Amino acid sequence: SYELTQPPSVSVSPGQTARITCSGDALPKKYAYWYQQKSGQAPVLVIYEDSKRPSGIPERFSGSSSGTMATLTISGAQVEDEADYYCYSTDSSGHPVVFGGGTKLTVL
Amino acid sequence: QITLKESGPTLVKPTQTLTLTCTFSGFSLSTSGVGVGWIRQPPGKALEWLALIYWDDDKRYSPSLKSRLTITKDTSKNQVVLTMTNMDPVDTGTYYCAHILFGYYDSSGYKNYYFDYWGQGTLVTVSS
Repeated sequence: SYELTQPPSVSVSPGQTARITCSGDALPKKYAYWYQQKSGQAPVLVIYEDSKRPSGIPERFSGSSSGTMATLTISGAQVEDEADYYCYSTDSSGHPVVFGGGTKLTVL
Repeated sequence: QITLKESGPTLVKPTQTLTLTCTFSGFSLSTSGVGVGWIRQPPGKALEWLALIYWDDDKRYSPSLKSRLTITKDTSKNQVVLTMTNMDPVDTGTYYCAHILFGYYDSSGYKNYYFDYWGQGTLVTVSS
């Protein structure tokens, strides 16, 4: 199986745009998914299939993918968006088992 | 509305076997394209998948833990059970179960799945 690599941390001021990247050799062939995990809480899906947003997720969350890199963008980040963000994808057989190491987003 | 909830012991001793139950509602594990997975998270660390089970009883295990894991389903009870043998303090962490949904067919013709809804997690501490 392959790996997904994320930066350990990203920091922005409130109102700025936060971009979190996720790189992996299989991403040209596989979709990326993004979870938000606030402290002490379960992960919540914020982006699926590279760029689709589940119902209830604010429009400021968007996703894109190009080549071996997927990007989660939070436009106008808010203090409440401070969390760990994980990208993940599927293995060669389609099972959802490849997690990135997580990125801690600080908004202050 | 899909909900999942993990249950099991909060404290286990080294070498003991851990048994966790995921009780869910809002879907049936007899529906094509559906599954349940177990994922864990050591304190302050990243997510790690453990095991998956699908509607057709197809099972997948993390290669590094395969010899210690067993996943089963009881469709009538809407439950999935994970057992992990020979527990060690490094197995301490929060254990989550999550609903698996069919996403898309890739260019090789494989079905690709993803986790959408997660349980709240249960903290398991391994200590003597």
